[in-house]
Amino acid sequence: AQSVTQPDIHITVSEGASLELRCNYSYGATPYLFWYVQSPGQGLQLLLKYFSGDTLVQGIKGFEAEFKRSQSSFNLRKPSVHWSDAAEYFCAVGSQGGSEKLVFGKGTKLTVNP
Amino acid sequence: DAGVTQSPTHLIKTRGQQVTLRCSPISGHKSVSWYQQVLGQGPQFIFQYYEKEERGRGNFPDRFSARQFPNYSSELNVNALLLGDSALYLCASSSGTSGGALLDEQFFGPGTRLTVL
Repeated sequence: AQSVTQPDIHITVSEGASLELRCNYSYGATPYLFWYVQSPGQGLQLLLKYFSGDTLVQGIKGFEAEFKRSQSSFNLRKPSVHWSDAAEYFCAVGSQGGSEKLVFGKGTKLTVNP
Repeated sequence: DAGVTQSPTHLIKTRGQQVTLRCSPISGHKSVSWYQQVLGQGPQFIFQYYEKEERGRGNFPDRFSARQFPNYSSELNVNALLLGDSALYLCASSSGTSGGALLDEQFFGPGTRLTVL
């Protein structure tokens, strides 16, 4: 069965600092991988996705993620964090067919200090 | 263009009651999925409907049911509410051009906050 682990429940960074959010997945085949962001009281917004090809994926708002098959990881990075990036971030994995079911991790809450 | 809309925004029910949540997908989108997000957890898949047919079902009891209408809007019904059903219920839509097989980006609505007392 598919599963996603986000080891960090809460991360605090200073504005302007770099950011890396960790995500490890479990899936038998090549996964479809996603990062979503959720601001308080809001739905989920897709930051980026990986289906195949280049393992370094660029997303919106200056985010990028790197797929590493050997480590079963899909970590999210941003070189310089802005105060508006404070939110909850979810990593998700999907199957290659049959349905649009996504399996989400428990999320990482990001706090940005001024 | 309007995004995914959900109604109501908030809902308070008592144990044993029944609730219906509604979702309108983005215009032209044929696939709708429902997720339950309990406080402090990630969303958990409940159902997916594509062209009015159920395409996927998560690990939820039969108290949960859903349907999709000819205009692609959808309803999620929960019977015999339990305290543990308190959660944010999210609806997502996608164009479904791949036949509902995940190649399409899913757009999420703001959710319905259900509180069961």
